[in-house]
Formats: sequence, structure tokens, C-alpha cells
Amino acid sequence: QVQLVQSGTEMKKPGSSVKVSCKASGGTFSSYAVSWVRQAPGQGLEWMGGIISMVGSTSYAPKFQGRITITADESTSTAYMELSSLRFEDTAVYYCANPRWDHRTDVWGQGTTVIVSS
Amino acid sequence: EIVLTQSPGTLSLSPGERATLSCRASQFVSYLAWFQHKPGQAPRVLIYGASSRAAGIPDRFSGSASGTDFTLTINRLEPEDFAVYYCHQYGTSPLTFGGGTKVEIK
Repeated sequence: QVQLVQSGTEMKKPGSSVKVSCKASGGTFSSYAVSWVRQAPGQGLEWMGGIISMVGSTSYAPKFQGRITITADESTSTAYMELSSLRFEDTAVYYCANPRWDHRTDVWGQGTTVIVSS
Repeated sequence: EIVLTQSPGTLSLSPGERATLSCRASQFVSYLAWFQHKPGQAPRVLIYGASSRAAGIPDRFSGSASGTDFTLTINRLEPEDFAVYYCHQYGTSPLTFGGGTKVEIK
């Protein structure tokens, strides 16, 4: 069974960048897009963007356009989300997710905490 | 972008009762899912395609649709069902989530 394993907690300064990884363990990404979703403290879920791994096609939420870059390395079954010009309000838990609707489910990473603090 | 409005914000119910959660879309939605989210855990899909139950999800969870209105019904609430629920449209980019409904113990 495929699991998504994300990189660890990050502490960043305002204005810097963070790059979070998401590796498919025990298999590969499905043909559906790998999405990145975040949850800031006390807030709801927020879709940031996604990538269809096999073709490298990306889509981003307008809110993050210009600050976010999502990439994928098919050879290592790893997706990456880089967010630049970090602000205090980017403090959140960041998740990757990969639907597998042909198996009636989807798979999520365990979440990566990013803390932006001076 | 498609805006999903969930109501109510909070639902206070007792175990064994029925929960009815609403999600209204600002325009046509081709694919809609419902997620359950608990603190410290990743979200878990309950329903996809508006009404198809995900693998391993108990049949007390059901989803329905009428135009741009979507409903998640939880029959006979179990203690483990108290959580936050989100609707999510994944048919049109940018994908979007509703604001969530918290189902709490009364």
C-alpha cells in the first residue's frame, strides 16, 4: 500500500523560502494530481496547488501564484512544494495528497509543520 | 474560482443522533468530496463523486447532491465521528475547500 512520507518540521525567517518534499513509499504516485493543502492554526483546509506527476503539469491557487513552485521527480516518486517570500501567516501544517479514485480512496502525507518566526 | 459555503459552522449533537451537513457551491461542480479531519491527523476522505463512499468508510456516512447543493449525512453518530468536516471540489482548477463544519458533542 502506497504511503506518502513528508519531510520534517521547518523553522524559517520571514522573507525566506521553504521546500517541502513528499515521497511515495511502497509505490508511485497515481495518475491523478498530487495536491498540496495547508492548514494554518485555527483555520480550515486550503488548497495551494497541484501537479500531475507523469506530465509535470501544474496548477496553482491564485492566492499563491508567484510565490509557489510545485515540482515532481518521477525517478524517485517525490513531489516538492517550494514557497518563497515567507510571511508569519504562512505558519501552518502542509500536507501532500494523491487521490486514487480507481481504488476508492486517496492518500495523504503525515503533514509538515512550517513555522515562520523572526 | 468556485466558492463552497458550508453550514452550519458548528453542529452540537449527541451520540446516536443524525448529522446533516450542507455545502453550497457558487457554480456548477463536477466532482465533490467530503473529508473528515481530526486534530493531529491527516484529513480522511469519506465521500467522493458527491455520493460514492470511499473504501473502508462505514455505511452510516452518505452523500447526496441536488444542483449546486451537496449534503453529507451521518446516521447514528458514533463517538469517533466528532470532528471537522470539509467539502472539496476537485473538478475545476483552482480546487477549493469549504470552510468546514465542526460536529461537536452536545
